Amino acid sequence: DTEVTQTPKHLVMGMTNKKSLKCEQHMGHRAMYWYKQKAKKPPELMFVYSYEKLSINESVPSRFSPECPNSSLLNLHLHALQPEDSALYLCASSQRQSSGNTIYFGEGSWLTVV
Amino acid sequence: AQKVTQAQTEISVVEKEDVTLDCVYETRDTTYYLFWYKQPPSGELVFLIRRNSFDEQNEISGRYSWNFQKSTSSFNFTITASQVVDSAVYFCALSDPNYTGANSKLTFGKGITLSVRP
Repeated sequence: DTEVTQTPKHLVMGMTNKKSLKCEQHMGHRAMYWYKQKAKKPPELMFVYSYEKLSINESVPSRFSPECPNSSLLNLHLHALQPEDSALYLCASSQRQSSGNTIYFGEGSWLTVV
Repeated sequence: AQKVTQAQTEISVVEKEDVTLDCVYETRDTTYYLFWYKQPPSGELVFLIRRNSFDEQNEISGRYSWNFQKSTSSFNFTITASQVVDSAVYFCALSDPNYTGANSKLTFGKGITLSVRP
């Protein structure tokens, strides 16, 4: 079983709604990630938090707003999304090791914007 | 710039057949890491293996084996005696060494859809 848990598993929202995706990891990792994945495509990096600070923003539109309340939690706040934002949103975490970093992913949140 | 090529897009085999998934990468860095992930229809990306660029030993884990060859910049994945549960999309990925510390950045290939028929 994955040690990165995401809620909700499925979300349907209107273009004027405000919703949030939540992610939690219990591996003591200090980096957490949000990826977006469209059908039949590889995951695309959106944001990275390292030691609870935003370290990478891949030029993501402001209608996506990440938040890292503590080292175990990561949220993605959604507002005024477009239908093309419908996708699988994957949360992940990693920790630096002498042998290299491995990114572990959650089960994802399937988002549909109507 | 880094690049990962998975030339095969879809593979279909009958159960118990062996199947090899190809991965070719490009990087100018001398230190890097290669990964394979499995993504079943449920959506979760499952980590399978990480290989350090300095370690060219092949690895076997049950029915899975990996062949890393720096000379050809390839990191191929073989499933022996495939099973229906192996049906999934498989991604090869390459780490970006410019990102150090706790965080990391991966360059993914486009993925290979494997279908194993009973």
